[in-house]
Formats: sequence, C-alpha cells, structure tokens
Amino acid sequence: SQQGEEDPQALSIQEGENATMNCSYKTSINNLQWYRQNSGRGLVHLILIRSNEREKHSGRLRVTLDTSKKSSSLLITASRAADTASYFCATDRTSGSRLTFGEGTQLTVNP
Amino acid sequence: DADVTQTPRNRITKTGKRIMLECSQTKGHDRMYWYRQDPGLGLRLIYYSFDVKDINKGEISDGYSVSRQAQAKFSLSLESAIPNQTALYFCATSGLAGQAYNEQFFGPGTRLTVL
Repeated sequence: SQQGEEDPQALSIQEGENATMNCSYKTSINNLQWYRQNSGRGLVHLILIRSNEREKHSGRLRVTLDTSKKSSSLLITASRAADTASYFCATDRTSGSRLTFGEGTQLTVNP
Repeated sequence: DADVTQTPRNRITKTGKRIMLECSQTKGHDRMYWYRQDPGLGLRLIYYSFDVKDINKGEISDGYSVSRQAQAKFSLSLESAIPNQTALYFCATSGLAGQAYNEQFFGPGTRLTVL
C-alpha cells in the first residue's frame, strides 16, 4: 500500500497564483522528498526535507514538514504554465534505502 | 547523453512472452530500482539493488525478476507477460557511498503493453 496520500488529487489554477499540495504519511520517516513528473516522463527530484527540519526553500518552492501530524506541504509560488505536471511526495524511512510514493497531485496552471 | 537510460522505450507484446527491460546509468551510483506506474497512480517498487551482489524484492515483485549485471546495469524481466502488467516502467538510481540522504534519478520510462 502507498505510504503517502496526497491532497488534492487535482488542482487547477491561473498563472501567477500559488499552488499548495499536501502529503500525509503513516509511519516515521528519515526524510521526505518531492518529485515532479511531466506527462508520461520520468520523475525529477525537486526537494528533500529531513525529519529534523520544519521548512525548506528552493527557488519558488517551499516545503514544510510536520512530523507530529505526519504531513508535508509543497507550495509553488507565482506559478507558471510550465509548472503544469504531476507532483509526488515520497517518504524514506531509513535514510536512502527505498522510497514509498504517494499517488500524486495533478497540477494544471492555466495561462 | 542522459545519465539513466532505458531500452526499449516502447514495447508491445503478447500474453505469455518473455520480456526484458534494460537500464543503464553513468552516474556511478550503487543503488538501482525498478518501479511500475499505472495510469493516475504513483510509483510502486518492484525490485531494488544496493550493489551488484544485493537484490531485494519490493512491494510488487510477483511475476518479475531482475539481474544486476554490473554496477551500471540493472535489467527487469517478465518471464511470462500478462495483460495486467501493462504499465509504464521506470528505472531509477541513487546513492554514493557515504552519502546520508539520497535523491533518486529516473530514466525516461518504458511503456509496455501486453495484449
């Protein structure tokens, strides 16, 4: 079964707006990662947040992690049409061993 | 050249045929993974390997086998393909020795259709 559950399953916004995606998981983790997938293509790593971190930034991306609630969120600010893709969270329970992926959020950014 | 390559990129086969999907990487990583993705779903781990002598089953290994021929090569076989193995298959790599936190790098995927 999937470790992560993502919410919403689909999100449609206008260019320039912010997009927020949420991920919940069930067991303790070492780190949590977010990936992006353009339609039918391989996943691309976006950002990794360690279990002892609460927030991390990378360009227009902001990730938060709340280990007490077993949840994470990915915020994309000032979205662009090129951000249209599926976004997946993935949990790593034991530091680099194996990842368990959520089912993803399909983001559509309308120009 | 791409760091993680997969061949073939597309394959259509018939039920009962043996199929091999190949993956090669030039990143020098020790760890390699095979995933499948079904429409609208996330990735599920089939097999993974932490080095040439180490092979581990993932969550959905039934009906699949793997071979780690070298550090850079990891192949996935379907011994007798069935229609519900129709999916998008991804190879991924990660892990340099001594690195505590490892992102994964994905190949472009192989779209497999079993008729």
